Amino acid sequence: QKEVEQNSGPLSVPEGAIASLNCTYSDRGSQSFFWYRQYSGKSPELIMSIYSNGDKEDGRFTAQLNKASQYVSLLIRDSQPSDSATYLCAVTGSGGSYIPTFGRGTSLIVHP
Amino acid sequence: GAVVSQHPSRVICKSGTSVKIECRSLDFQATTMFWYRQFPKQSLMLMATSNEGSKATYEQGVEKDKFLINHASLTLSTLTVTSAHPEDSSFYICSAVGAGGRYEQYFGPGTRLTVT
Repeated sequence: QKEVEQNSGPLSVPEGAIASLNCTYSDRGSQSFFWYRQYSGKSPELIMSIYSNGDKEDGRFTAQLNKASQYVSLLIRDSQPSDSATYLCAVTGSGGSYIPTFGRGTSLIVHP
Repeated sequence: GAVVSQHPSRVICKSGTSVKIECRSLDFQATTMFWYRQFPKQSLMLMATSNEGSKATYEQGVEKDKFLINHASLTLSTLTVTSAHPEDSSFYICSAVGAGGRYEQYFGPGTRLTVT
């Protein structure tokens, strides 16, 4: 059974701080890793994708992947109240399969 | 780019009727689309994988005769909830896999179904 684990939170950080969201996965053959943001009552929005070990930066977001540890994280710098949402980690690509496995999501609250 | 639309955004229907939800990829061709259901404060639940020109693959526990999926073109997939009941009330979300070969999914805005 493929599993993706996330701490459900809520993770509460002050405005301007760095928010660190973590995700572990069980399928060592996974190839593609994604972070989605989902506001309450809305559908998920893709914010980051990462495919190789190391860091990938896009604006205030940095995704980090460590395949040996089966661990992927998302850092949000200079957190804003508008970043308050649920962040979903998704993993796919094992054996060429495009069917994703999602974590249950981490709720992030950025307070002023 | 990578815009996915869904219609309708919200629908209320009576128990026993059928409802059709459309999912369209507006600026790319999607050979694969996914249909999800999400209950309040719960995680996404994958219902089925829809491939253009072939039958959908349903996840365990999802009734294929109740949730009819048609993927007739590279830009359109439809989900029909047949003989809807109040327990089918949920947020239905489709997603389309991008053409870049990296399995990125782009989600539609979702359809909120209420069955009375």
